[in-house]
Amino acid sequence: QKEVEQNSGPLSVPEGAIASLNCTYSDRVSQSFFWYRQYSGKSPELIMSIYSNGDKEDGRFTAQLNKASQYVSLLIRDSQPSDSATYLCAVPRRGYQKVTFGTGTKLQVIP
Amino acid sequence: EAGVTQSPTHLIKTRGQQATLRCSPISGHTSVYWYQQALGLGLQFLLWYDEGEERNRGNFPPRFSGRQFPNYSSELNVNALELEDSALYLCASSFGTGDQETQYFGPGTRLLVL
Repeated sequence: QKEVEQNSGPLSVPEGAIASLNCTYSDRVSQSFFWYRQYSGKSPELIMSIYSNGDKEDGRFTAQLNKASQYVSLLIRDSQPSDSATYLCAVPRRGYQKVTFGTGTKLQVIP
Repeated sequence: EAGVTQSPTHLIKTRGQQATLRCSPISGHTSVYWYQQALGLGLQFLLWYDEGEERNRGNFPPRFSGRQFPNYSSELNVNALELEDSALYLCASSFGTGDQETQYFGPGTRLLVL
């Protein structure tokens, strides 16, 4: 099992819809989780972090964490064409002092 | 506040040469991470430096090396370049400790090996 797994996509949603991106992780002791957005040819940009079970909202973005099921998701409401990018899930690994990144899910928002 | 900076933005080398990439972290950040991202692939962890010391390295051969200077800037050296080293090299700096550590990325250096 990969440390951090994401569906590579592409995930296509119409403009204005909710995009749902999922990430599962293998290390049960992981405590913090990050979502990055990466436009083609650019570097990753941090958009959300979540540390506790439940939901965390920031504008049109909502991160959801379920530690018992070992998954974290990112919801994007009212999706815009400018949201079209690859979204990376990142999980720090305690004891290894490094962050493991998923391979990313490519999101396409269709106008 | 200035973000993470990297230089050069693009670098073209031939096989067998050496490449040197540079990174300046966000002011106040002491940790610097290096990642390799080949075209269409995910981020691969290369090296982690903190307080001038190499703390961890990923599954890369020894010809990938680097260092961190007293001002916390960092340099990545790639010796004996191979065609498959062509990739986007990303530097990230971080603050916080343990689970709260948050990484911020620079714009990257795109290395092309011919």
